[in-house]
Amino acid sequence: AQRVTQPEKLLSVFKGAPVELKCNYSYSGSPELFWYVQYSRQRLQLLLRHISRESIKGFTADLNKGETSFHLKKPFAQEEDSAMYYCALTGGATNKLIFGTGTLLAVQP
Amino acid sequence: GAGVSQSPSNKVTEKGKDVELRCDPISGHTALYWYRQSLGQGLEFLIYFQGNSAPDKSGLPSDRFSAERTGGSVSTLTIQRTQQEDSAVYLCASSPHRGNTGELFFGEGSRLTVL
Repeated sequence: AQRVTQPEKLLSVFKGAPVELKCNYSYSGSPELFWYVQYSRQRLQLLLRHISRESIKGFTADLNKGETSFHLKKPFAQEEDSAMYYCALTGGATNKLIFGTGTLLAVQP
Repeated sequence: GAGVSQSPSNKVTEKGKDVELRCDPISGHTALYWYRQSLGQGLEFLIYFQGNSAPDKSGLPSDRFSAERTGGSVSTLTIQRTQQEDSAVYLCASSPHRGNTGELFFGEGSRLTVL
């Protein structure tokens, strides 16, 4: 079964500290992985996708097929990074994005 | 240009009543998705439209839930005989891509509260 697991409901860090939001997935094939972000009182929006291998707002994520993980990382957290982060996957014949339960990142001053 | 528009933004109803939630996708977007967002449950896929057809409705939780899309544009999600467990934020998203590239544009959601 296709599944995305985000083990942490809440991650609290201080400004300037490194951040790692964990995401593990279960998929029998070659998935495409994404991170979506929802800032307070804003719409859910795409942050980055693994095929682009891009860095957005200082965030990066590497797909590790051996560990079936797609953790989101940032070396120095900023207060404006505080938001809800969702990991998601799609792949094969499915036309739907399967989301994890989300992690609330709180960056303290 | 306007993003995905959903209405109503908030709906409070009594158990047993029917509700309709509306979604206006971004003009020209052929794909449309409905998700349900509940506390602690993440985003739960409900149904996917490509044009007016729904090739994947596997996420609809029961036969009380139905959705349609007309003119390749507006979609309506209907919940009949609402139950308290239906309380959630219902999100609509659209995409310009026929295949799934994973880039969805979300609306602000319709918050449903069933008393």
